[in-house]
Amino acid sequence: RKEVEQDPGPFNVPEGATVAFNCTYSNSASQSFFWYRQDCRKEPKLLMSVYSSGNEDGRFTAQLNRASQYISLLIRDSKLSDSATYLCVVTYGQNFVFGPGTRLSVLP
Amino acid sequence: SQTIHQWPATLVQPVGSPLSLECTVEGTSNPNLYWYRQAAGRGLQLLFYSVGIGQISSEVPQNLSASRPQDRQFILSSKKLLLSDSGFYLCAWSRQGGTTEAFFGQGTRLTVV
Repeated sequence: RKEVEQDPGPFNVPEGATVAFNCTYSNSASQSFFWYRQDCRKEPKLLMSVYSSGNEDGRFTAQLNRASQYISLLIRDSKLSDSATYLCVVTYGQNFVFGPGTRLSVLP
Repeated sequence: SQTIHQWPATLVQPVGSPLSLECTVEGTSNPNLYWYRQAAGRGLQLLFYSVGIGQISSEVPQNLSASRPQDRQFILSSKKLLLSDSGFYLCAWSRQGGTTEAFFGQGTRLTVV
C-alpha cells in the first residue's frame, strides 16, 4: 500500500466549476499536511497547509480528518490558471512524502 | 528572505559519465535539505535527506550519493550514470522540526543518453 494516495485523475472541468480532490495517507503518526501545486515541467509550489480545523484561502478550502487519515482540497469557481497537478503531502518526522498527484485541466 | 538555488537547469550526459548537481540555500541556517527525483509523468521520489552537515540519510538504494559539505550546500553525485537515472531532480529545504513546508529549487532536468 502506498503511503499517500490520491484520486488518479485527470479531472477535466469547465471554467467556473467546483472540483474536489481526495487524498488518504497510511501512517497515523503523520504530523503535518500540505497541498502543493506543480505546473508542467516546473517545481512544486506550496498551495496551502492543511489544519485539523479546516482552512480556506480564497477559492481554495482544505480539510483534514485525522481519524480517517483523509485530506481534501476543494476549488471553487475554477479558473483556466488553476490547470496544474495537485500534490498531497504529509510529513513523517523530517520527511515529506508526496502523493502521485492529480492533474486538473480547466477548459474554456 | 530565504532562497534556494539549484543548477544546472538542464543536463544531457552519456551513460557511464559522472554527475554532480549542486544546491545552495540562502537566508536561513541549519535547514533540512532534500533531494527528490521525478520520472516523467510520475510522482516525487525522495532520494536523500540531511538534517545537518555530514549527515545523510538514503531512502532508495541506487548508484547515486549525496553530500553536505557545508550547512547550506547539498550535492547529488554519481560515479557512473545509467539510462534509468534520467529524470527531474529537485532540491528542497525546510526548517528543522518537520512541521513547516518545504521549498523547492527550480530543478535539474537530466537526460542520460
